[in-house]
Amino acid sequence: KAGVTQTPRYLIKTRGQQVTLSCSPISGHRSVSWYQQTPGQGLQFLFEYFSETQRNKGNFPGRFSGRQFSNSRSEMNVSTLELGDSALYLCASSLAYGDTQYFGPGTRLTVL
Amino acid sequence: GENVEQHPSTLSVQEGDSAVIKCTYSDSASNYFPWYKQELGKRPQLIIDIRSNVGEKKDQRIAVTLNKTAKHFSLHITETQPEDSAVYFCAASIRSDYKLSFGAGTTVTVRA
Repeated sequence: KAGVTQTPRYLIKTRGQQVTLSCSPISGHRSVSWYQQTPGQGLQFLFEYFSETQRNKGNFPGRFSGRQFSNSRSEMNVSTLELGDSALYLCASSLAYGDTQYFGPGTRLTVL
Repeated sequence: GENVEQHPSTLSVQEGDSAVIKCTYSDSASNYFPWYKQELGKRPQLIIDIRSNVGEKKDQRIAVTLNKTAKHFSLHITETQPEDSAVYFCAASIRSDYKLSFGAGTTVTVRA
């Protein structure tokens, strides 16, 4: 089976812009979680989706949003980008919550 | 919410020696504890996990122990090899919470 894929792999944006990141889970996986990874804050949970429903959300401002489609693919959107949003954004998929989470390669976002 | 602390932050060992990383968690309702290995520029990969109904689990040179009373769990790597050099993250989750809370990571360097 193909692993978790994320597009794009790299993005450069300027402050105030918005960005959409995409995640395709492993075939058959219905749960998708998003994490932000930075040197200072480590890996922090953004949100989790299952069957198109957001089941939990981390402590991030409302500028961070996401959604999941009927084929389990997920997108996350960050509006009004700030310099501090520069990070590696990882998504992870699992069959259902509580099962092993498999990570994608991440999208490296740089905000100038 | 759940708070996971991980020690040490860096660990240097001689090839062939053992490495031990310790994590503590705050929420007694946590019941799933995975460990991830992340090599430079790559995605986190699950190396072993343990659930709260098990005290110890082993997979070749890697073992994890869990002490629910003390709320801590540890990763043990025996006979370390240069390819074990990476950043290791512990995590904890509560099944009803649908998220992983990660430790800050341990950078392991295996000296040849």
